[in-house]
Amino acid sequence: DIKMTQSPSSLSASVGDRVLITCQASQDIRGNLNWYQQKPGKAPKLLIFDASKLETGVPSRFSGSGSGTDFALTISSLQPEDVATYYCQQYDNLFMYTFGQGTKLEIK
Amino acid sequence: QVQLQESGPRLVKPSQTLSLTCTVSGVSIRRSGFYWSWIRQTAGKGLEWIGRVFASGRSNYNPSLNSRATVSVDTSNNQFSLKLTSMTDADTAVYYCAGEGYKPGLFDTWGRGNLVSVSS
Repeated sequence: DIKMTQSPSSLSASVGDRVLITCQASQDIRGNLNWYQQKPGKAPKLLIFDASKLETGVPSRFSGSGSGTDFALTISSLQPEDVATYYCQQYDNLFMYTFGQGTKLEIK
Repeated sequence: QVQLQESGPRLVKPSQTLSLTCTVSGVSIRRSGFYWSWIRQTAGKGLEWIGRVFASGRSNYNPSLNSRATVSVDTSNNQFSLKLTSMTDADTAVYYCAGEGYKPGLFDTWGRGNLVSVSS
């Protein structure tokens, strides 16, 4: 299986801060990576697909980058409504999808 | 707008089989290019993809479940289902159904989730 490792597992930042979450794959997954946002008690919501493409309706302060084994999700200016847990997910292997363990983002 | 809704028990006894159903609205489950998956979320292992079914009935599964999962499609009711046998405490989780509509690998539609506890 392709293992996805996110860092950090949790972080606390202030409103307006730039936030960076990273995701590393255990093998080359090209650009086949998605990012999801999950708020408490809700299902995950697709934010970014194909490593860097913004899903319709997602604010432009979110961006994704990377390819191969190293990926990043950036929030350019943190807003209170961004408090959530963020997950990466690889789909390079279309017969076995795997998720990162999640990064819990809180406001300082 | 595609919407998914899980239904099924909230409590299952150890060794029993879990049966969950996902009702799809807003699109025909037979629509070409759509894939239908089950994903679960536990406190210990996070998000885990269980398996998926195509409109044709073909399916594939996470090998870590040791062949305990079966995902099937009911085109007449626009539903797909999950059966998970030999339930244990470790299977206590929120079970989500999800759709890959835009392209394979992208879960762009999710149900609200069904919390299933395993307890005698």
